[in-house]
Amino acid sequence: GAGVSQSPSNKVTEKGKDVELRCDPISGHTALYWYRQSLGQGLEFLIYFQGNSAPDKSGLPSDRFSAERTGGSVSTLTIQRTQQEDSAVYLCASSLAARGSDTGELFFGEGSRLTVL
Amino acid sequence: GDSVTQMEGPVTLSEEAFLTINCTYTATGYPSLFWYVQYPGEGLQLLLKATKADDKGSNKGFEATYRKETTSFHLEKGSVQVSDSAVYFCALSDFSGYSTLTFGKGTMLLVSP
Repeated sequence: GAGVSQSPSNKVTEKGKDVELRCDPISGHTALYWYRQSLGQGLEFLIYFQGNSAPDKSGLPSDRFSAERTGGSVSTLTIQRTQQEDSAVYLCASSLAARGSDTGELFFGEGSRLTVL
Repeated sequence: GDSVTQMEGPVTLSEEAFLTINCTYTATGYPSLFWYVQYPGEGLQLLLKATKADDKGSNKGFEATYRKETTSFHLEKGSVQVSDSAVYFCALSDFSGYSTLTFGKGTMLLVSP
């Protein structure tokens, strides 16, 4: 597709269950980002990938959160043993980012809305 | 660390009114500054940007000027339309190593006919 694709668009789960959120970036974009958008909290950075490696995982809120990226393309964000405070919209973005050299424009998907009951 | 502060919303305006959404930032060095917009049901998209002091970014009738002396990047539009109703996010990137953006909390704009 032409844009960043995320799935599922909506996920309702029970507390304690694991969830996987998928992001398919724009073809050719080497950089991939996960953000979390909570009501009243703006966008919170979670993790950044350059290719398949993650040089910055500083935003992951706990060890229940993990992410991987394979083939320099699709990424999966996994939340284990979900808690109610994990409820948010999880946004994925990609860019042509090369270290310090691009325009800073990120292209966002529409997000995955997670509700933990 | 870097931070962005923008005015809380919602901002409610009538069509053709003048819009200002304030944004100030804290950063080391000389960041690039951005406004992103999120229309209902859509992903964030870049509205405009400025990469150095005194630069003016503009797009779709919106403007913002990079003011280093006041560390500000206020968004303005002379005459808003109903279709401008959205959430607006101010952001910065210091390019310390890559393009991770630091966002403000967003300001919802509601324009009525």
